[in-house]
Amino acid sequence: EPEVTQTPSHQVTQMGQEVILRCVPISNHLYFYWYRQILGQKVEFLVSFYNNEISEKSEIFDDQFSVERPDGSNFTLKIRSTKLEDSAMYFCASSEIRTGDSNQPQHFGDGTRLSIL
Amino acid sequence: GEDVEQSLFLSVREGDSSVINCTYTDSSSTYLYWYKQEPGAGLQLLTYIFSNMDMKQDQRLTVLLNKKDKHLSLRIADTQTGDSAIYFCAERPSGSARQLTFGSGTQLTVLP
Repeated sequence: EPEVTQTPSHQVTQMGQEVILRCVPISNHLYFYWYRQILGQKVEFLVSFYNNEISEKSEIFDDQFSVERPDGSNFTLKIRSTKLEDSAMYFCASSEIRTGDSNQPQHFGDGTRLSIL
Repeated sequence: GEDVEQSLFLSVREGDSSVINCTYTDSSSTYLYWYKQEPGAGLQLLTYIFSNMDMKQDQRLTVLLNKKDKHLSLRIADTQTGDSAIYFCAERPSGSARQLTFGSGTQLTVLP
């Protein structure tokens, strides 16, 4: 069964450094998402991306965050200057687009654990 | 804003049924989902229900939706040790928005 893959599985970064988290969505999916889960808290929506632009974003997704689809397969989340509170598990997800059917479930990757020191 | 609540822990004996409950606040929710997370893994989509349905059955899984009370439940029949995991309820609002709002997850422990 096709999967969403995320790399790396664990990223350790010094505070203030830039970090890029990578995702390869399922190949025929056109809608992409990032979520995060701080330890002990709920999974929170960050951003959705469709047709090469941001579709929705939450209050968490401030100017320090950006997303990009640099080629036909990767979808990346960049955090420009990391803070201690950015430490979390970051999940990428993707979903199909089907005309006339607005429910296309989101399929998630295994996540990248980001640790900021 | 939207909020989704779940109880944190549930323990059952192997072979019994498990019922995991969820409440949500957004009355405009169109789709409600159940995801499973095993240790070290991502969120695996288990099943979903559209808000105009009361019940959906998929093999050992039964989803019940009480839209009036904004209450969703997931019943797992003949629970096995491999069902031990965290189960997340999530809702998707109406309209073009696609972001999911998740509950805190219920840790299901299946005892032998």
